[in-house]
Amino acid sequence: KAGVTQTPRYLIKTRGQQVTLSCSPISGHRSVSWYQQTPGQGLQFLFEYFSETQRNKGNFPGRFSGRQFSNSRSEMNVSTLELGDSALYLCASSAWSGSKETQYFGPGTRLLVL
Amino acid sequence: GIQVEQSPPDLILQEGANSTLRCNFSDSVNNLQWFHQNPWGQLINLFYIPSGTKQNGRLSATTVATERYSLLYISSSQTTDSGVYFCAVERGHFGNEKLTFGTGTRLTIIP
Repeated sequence: KAGVTQTPRYLIKTRGQQVTLSCSPISGHRSVSWYQQTPGQGLQFLFEYFSETQRNKGNFPGRFSGRQFSNSRSEMNVSTLELGDSALYLCASSAWSGSKETQYFGPGTRLLVL
Repeated sequence: GIQVEQSPPDLILQEGANSTLRCNFSDSVNNLQWFHQNPWGQLINLFYIPSGTKQNGRLSATTVATERYSLLYISSSQTTDSGVYFCAVERGHFGNEKLTFGTGTRLTIIP
């Protein structure tokens, strides 16, 4: 099976712009989660989508939003970019086996806001 | 929320050495995973281990859920083991909460 894919891999934007990142989960996985990784805050959970519905949300401002399509692909959007939004954005898809849920991460999108 | 602490923050070892990484968490969990992040940023799942002991080649992990800690053992280190090791936990059931990550242990293996 192909792994989790994320596009684009690298992105440079300026303050005030908006950006859309894409994530394609492993085939058959219906849950997609997004994380932000920065040197100062580490890895932080943004939100999770399951069957096109947001199931969980982390503690991020409303400028961060996402959605999931019927084929489980997910996008996240950041509006009105700030310098502090520069980060590695990681997407994970997960599968359940009994009571065990395992996350598989994509390679990430590196966003630089100038 | 749940707190996850990892130690040591940095570890520099000679190739062939063994190491133990520790993860302490502040509340009971139903999901604990260890990840390795390589220099390119890719997070690789090493173990799903909310309790008990598992082994995979040179790596093994033990979680003592009642005492709220987990250990990751790396034996006969190789340079490819370099990177950051994260412990991540989840407290809820069936996706009510997602993973909370520790701050990581940066492992550097010197040839």
